[in-house]
Amino acid sequence: DVVMTQSPLSLPVTLGQPASISCRSSQSLVHSDGNTYLSWFQQRPGQSPRRLIYKVSNRDSGVPDRFSGSGSGTDFTLKISRVEAEDVGVYYCMQATHWPPWTFGQGTKVEIK
Amino acid sequence: EVQLVESGGGLVQPGGSLRLSCAASGFTFSSDWMHWVRQPPGKGPVWVSHINSDGSSTTYADSVKGRFTISRDNAKNTLYLQMNDLRADDTAVYYCASLTTRRAFDIWGQGTMVTVSS
Repeated sequence: DVVMTQSPLSLPVTLGQPASISCRSSQSLVHSDGNTYLSWFQQRPGQSPRRLIYKVSNRDSGVPDRFSGSGSGTDFTLKISRVEAEDVGVYYCMQATHWPPWTFGQGTKVEIK
Repeated sequence: EVQLVESGGGLVQPGGSLRLSCAASGFTFSSDWMHWVRQPPGKGPVWVSHINSDGSSTTYADSVKGRFTISRDNAKNTLYLQMNDLRADDTAVYYCASLTTRRAFDIWGQGTMVTVSS
């Protein structure tokens, strides 16, 4: 199974400042079809997960452009250009290249300082 | 409105069974692979099972293989998860989700809580 490792696990940020979350996979996530199936999810307190980014860098509909995804192979990053209060929650990466199983990272808790 | 609505969760004794349902609306359910994902209290999401669009192919996490069965009824726009021989470590919120990368929106239900306890 592909292991997804996120860092940091806790991220205190100041409102208006940038934030960055790293996700590393135990093997390359490049699929034989040429795509890389790495997604990022946000889970606000008491809510269901919501996808923000798919295939490394594609923003889902309605996701603010302050969220961006990048990376390749085994190393990926989610960046928030300027953190807002509504961004508080836990962020997960997930791979869908080598399935089953689809695997999630442990999560990164973003909170306001 | 695009939505998934789960039902069927509850409190069950170890060794018992439950059947979860997930009603889909607002999108072409019959075109999507569908998944069940669970989230134990205070922990991250864990993928449980997937079914392809016509129901002919399914996969399971090792932890539920042989005990859980995923199915779908495309005529009723509904996804199911039959859970047998439930154990305490099956306790979690269970979500149905599309997880599709074919379009720029993904769909998750609100979740249904399953508690396995005597």
